Amino acid sequence: DAKTTQPPSMDCAEGRAANLPCNHSTISGNEYVYWYRQIHSQGPQYIIHGLKNNETNEMASLIITEDRKSSTLILPHATLRDTAVYYCIVRVGDYGQNFVFGPGTRLSVLP
Amino acid sequence: GAVVSQHPSWVICKSGTSVKIECRSLDFQATTMFWYRQFPKQSLMLMATSNEGSKATYEQGVEKDKFLINHASLTLSTLTVTSAHPEDSSFYICSATTGQGKHEQFFGPGTRLTVL
Repeated sequence: DAKTTQPPSMDCAEGRAANLPCNHSTISGNEYVYWYRQIHSQGPQYIIHGLKNNETNEMASLIITEDRKSSTLILPHATLRDTAVYYCIVRVGDYGQNFVFGPGTRLSVLP
Repeated sequence: GAVVSQHPSWVICKSGTSVKIECRSLDFQATTMFWYRQFPKQSLMLMATSNEGSKATYEQGVEKDKFLINHASLTLSTLTVTSAHPEDSSFYICSATTGQGKHEQFFGPGTRLTVL
């Protein structure tokens, strides 16, 4: 699987949008971009995934560049409960394989 | 979304004893379950992949005789840490998937193991 690069940490003011970048310059055509987050001492929580098109759900939006070499996860109105480690993962398809977790980005939402 | 539970949520044991951790998919059948380990301030590392009714596949460097995995049914996988030592103290997390056609993987809440 392709590797990803994320900033180790970011801060965001409560109520503002949090934009978390991810580089995946070696992504293959059949690899999806997934985002999970892990709140302290809990299991990872699925946020969103996409292949080419931008995606939005009740939690976040995922913006993927046209060349697919990078993406941005957007939390539109960050709350204190969004403080967590956010993982950007690329993985082939939907065949039930495991995820390979990198170090992620530690997002701190500040009051 | 679907729910995966783990039991116990935390356990403290003496060195040399064995500890069993259960991972259950509560409202779906999991053809595949994964076991991860996470040390403090580090990311999750895959230990093994288990498919219902077959032997688990272990990642390189993970001792299969020390970390026994049993996936006896479509809703239950167990991880037994045999002869635990302090260096086995970690956060153990399982995840489950229904297999093909499903992107989302559901993670359990994790089990904190402390070996004294």
